[in-house]
Amino acid sequence: EIVLTQSPATLSLSPGERVTLSCRASESVSNYLAWYQQKPGQAPRLLIYDASNRATGIPARFSGSGSGTDFTLTISSLQPDDFATYYCQQYDTYWTFGQGTKVEIK
Amino acid sequence: QLQLQESGPGLVKPSETLSLTCTVSGGSMSSGSYYWGWIRQPPGKGLEWIGNIYHRGNTYYNPSLKSRVTISVDTSKNQFSLRLNSVTAADTAVYYCAKLIGTICFEYWGQGTLVTVSS
Repeated sequence: EIVLTQSPATLSLSPGERVTLSCRASESVSNYLAWYQQKPGQAPRLLIYDASNRATGIPARFSGSGSGTDFTLTISSLQPDDFATYYCQQYDTYWTFGQGTKVEIK
Repeated sequence: QLQLQESGPGLVKPSETLSLTCTVSGGSMSSGSYYWGWIRQPPGKGLEWIGNIYHRGNTYYNPSLKSRVTISVDTSKNQFSLRLNSVTAADTAVYYCAKLIGTICFEYWGQGTLVTVSS
């Protein structure tokens, strides 16, 4: 099973700050990685697929990068609506999710 | 706009079978090369992939759940279903159904339904 490790577990930030979230795979997943945003009581929302492609309707402040085992989700300027938990997910071998990073208001 | 809606019992007894159905509206399950999936999330925890199915019936299951899971599809009703047998308290979770982009990631999600395993 491919294990995805996200870091940090929690980030405390202020609106307007730049955010960098990390996802590391236990073995190479090529670029077969997606990112999701989830708010309390809601289903996850797809943000990024194939490591760097924004899903339909996702603002340009969200960007993804990386390949192999190391991936990054960047939010260029944190908006109030962006405080949420973010998950990475690989689809190279079956489908697995990371444990999530919570972005909270400082 | 494609919509998915989970339905089924909110309470299941230990050792029994959890059964959920996902109804798809706003599009046909049998058009295009799409997979459909189930994901769950225990209260306060992260997401766990359960399994996926193609409209022709091909399935992929999480190896850790494979012995207890069956996913089926009924394209005439535009529905797909999840059965998880021999449940325990560890299976208590919000269960989501979703549509994949091709075979890769989960683009459209249902709102989720909480299933509690308790006597």
